[in-house]
Parts: sequence; structure tokens; C-alpha cells
Amino acid sequence: DSGVTQTPKHLITATGQRVTLRCSPRSGDLSVYWYQQSLDQGLQFLIQYYNGEERAKGNILERFSAQQFPDLHSELNLSSLELGDSALYFCASSARDYNYEQYFGPGTRLTVT
Amino acid sequence: GNSVTQMEGPVTLSEEAFLTINCTYTATGYPSLFWYVQYPGEGLQLLLKATKADDKGSNKGFEATYRKETTSFHLEKGSVQVSDSAVYFCALRAYSGAGSYQLTFGKGTKLSVIP
Repeated sequence: DSGVTQTPKHLITATGQRVTLRCSPRSGDLSVYWYQQSLDQGLQFLIQYYNGEERAKGNILERFSAQQFPDLHSELNLSSLELGDSALYFCASSARDYNYEQYFGPGTRLTVT
Repeated sequence: GNSVTQMEGPVTLSEEAFLTINCTYTATGYPSLFWYVQYPGEGLQLLLKATKADDKGSNKGFEATYRKETTSFHLEKGSVQVSDSAVYFCALRAYSGAGSYQLTFGKGTKLSVIP
């Protein structure tokens, strides 16, 4: 158990809908990362937050957004969902925002029908 | 940009066989290198790491050596077990600006070990 929790574990929704994925980092970790894992694209970095502020962006679509709250949990919002958004979404956390090890949560499996 | 290339899978081995999963990388600067493992239905777990050239990372019988001259970080294990069946990801962590270090992953190699 990495100490990173993600909810829900599974999510099934229809095209055009909006969903919110939640992540709670390890106790004391200030940085949260979101990744998407799909069969065709592999594991891709989406976005990073550090202590409530956006720190870095990767291959995140404009339909996707995230935030980190004062209690350091983070939410990833996916809107106008398409079939191709079906994937595993992982959250990871690290102590700080520089050169610290990332610990991964168990993931949320999103299925868009 | 940074990239990681690892051998295509799937790889199927008999128990007690020798394992090698090749990984090469392209990066600016001096990245740290990692192997992560993903067991079925679970998230990624750090298996081992190396932070500078010629470092050897090791854990649970697995090892990998950071080779700067060949930009490689191949994963090896002398005798695999059925419980090693999983997907293995090679990754690098490099500075990406604004105080941020990003992980870049390879596509993963699925290992199946049969009794």
C-alpha cells in the first residue's frame, strides 16, 4: 500500500458526460501528479500540482482540468467525454516538487460507452 | 525531448529462467532512472532506481545498471518466479523547468512466468 488513495475504483459513463476523479496523497506529501494509462498511448503524464498550485502540464486535453485543495487532495475533471478517454487514471504524490520519489495510487478505471 | 524505449513484449519465461528487459533512453542533462512494476489490477510500484552513471539499483533479486555511455538501464534477474509475472516499466526523471521534475515512461513489457 503506497498510502495514495483514489476514488472511485471504477467509473462507467456515457459519451458527452463529465466525471470527477479524486486523489488523496500520502500524508505530508505536497505534490500530486495525474497520469493516463491507455493501451495505445501507454502511460502519459497529464498535470502536476504542488501545494495548491499548478506546477507542470503534460499531454492534458483542454476538456480536462484539475485542482488541488487546501487539504492537498486533488480532483481531475474530465468533460465532454469521448470513447477514446476510456483509460486508467493514476494519481501519484511526492514529498516536494523537485527530485523526490513518486508514489502511485491504485488508479481509477474509466469506461466511456 | 525525453524518451524511453523498452523492448516489446510480451515475454514468456519458464520458472528459474534468466530475465533481461532492455531499456534505452534519450534525455538532456542527467536523468535519474527507474524500473516500476505493475501487478494485475494494481498501481505502479517502484522496483529499483539509479540516480547517476554506473549506479546499480537492486531489489527483490532484480538489478539494473545506469550506463551513460550506452544510455541504457536494462533490467535483469537471475531466476524468475511465477510471482514476478507483471508489467515492467522503465522510466526516467528529468528536470522540466519551473522547479518540476517529470517522469517519462516506456510503453511497458508484460512478463509471464510459467511453472
